[in-house]
Amino acid sequence: SQQGEEDPQALSIQEGENATMNCSYKTSINNLQWYRQNSGRGLVHLILIRSNEREKHSGRLRVTLDTSKKSSSLLITASRAADTASYFCAHGVNTDKLIFGTGTRLQVFP
Amino acid sequence: DAGITQSPRYKITETGRQVTLMCHQTWSHSYMFWYRQDLGHGLRLIYYSAAADITDKGEVPDGYVVSRSKTENFPLTLESATRSQTSVYFCASSESTSPGGRFFGPGTRLTVL
Repeated sequence: SQQGEEDPQALSIQEGENATMNCSYKTSINNLQWYRQNSGRGLVHLILIRSNEREKHSGRLRVTLDTSKKSSSLLITASRAADTASYFCAHGVNTDKLIFGTGTRLQVFP
Repeated sequence: DAGITQSPRYKITETGRQVTLMCHQTWSHSYMFWYRQDLGHGLRLIYYSAAADITDKGEVPDGYVVSRSKTENFPLTLESATRSQTSVYFCASSESTSPGGRFFGPGTRLTVL
């Protein structure tokens, strides 16, 4: 299977703390994306990083990509209770194909 | 309303019945996708379409049929539903330029008894 894996599967932190999620994949990619899914809802696109980029920021989100290790990380700084959700990485193999990982469930306690 | 919608949101059916899940987007995105989400498997691609009248198989296409006669609609049909097709189904779309993020619908929770 080409499916990526995420680590940890679940993460619980207090508001104000930083949350780090990791993603590994198996194939060559042209981009990697992170999505958030609130309970019972569809996925929402957060950020995209291209294979020739090493780091990208968007608000409180920081994404890194290490293509030599086939891994990526998502850092959420100063987390809030509203950040409670599942987070998925998805790696883009070509124009059409985007392969999702199994997700990390993040719980942020007030 | 602008965006991507799915109907029905919830569906209960019986083994062997035909079921069609609807997906409609208002952005005129070229690409549309169907995923299923199951515990422990994340999202898996069933079928996708690069444009009207162009469809292709994803990772788990068996037991499903799609069509795309209009750019804005991408229905998914389970020809003879099985219990293993109990899942949450998500439709998504994206613009023609690559790479790009997917825009997801709210999902359809399907239960096959």
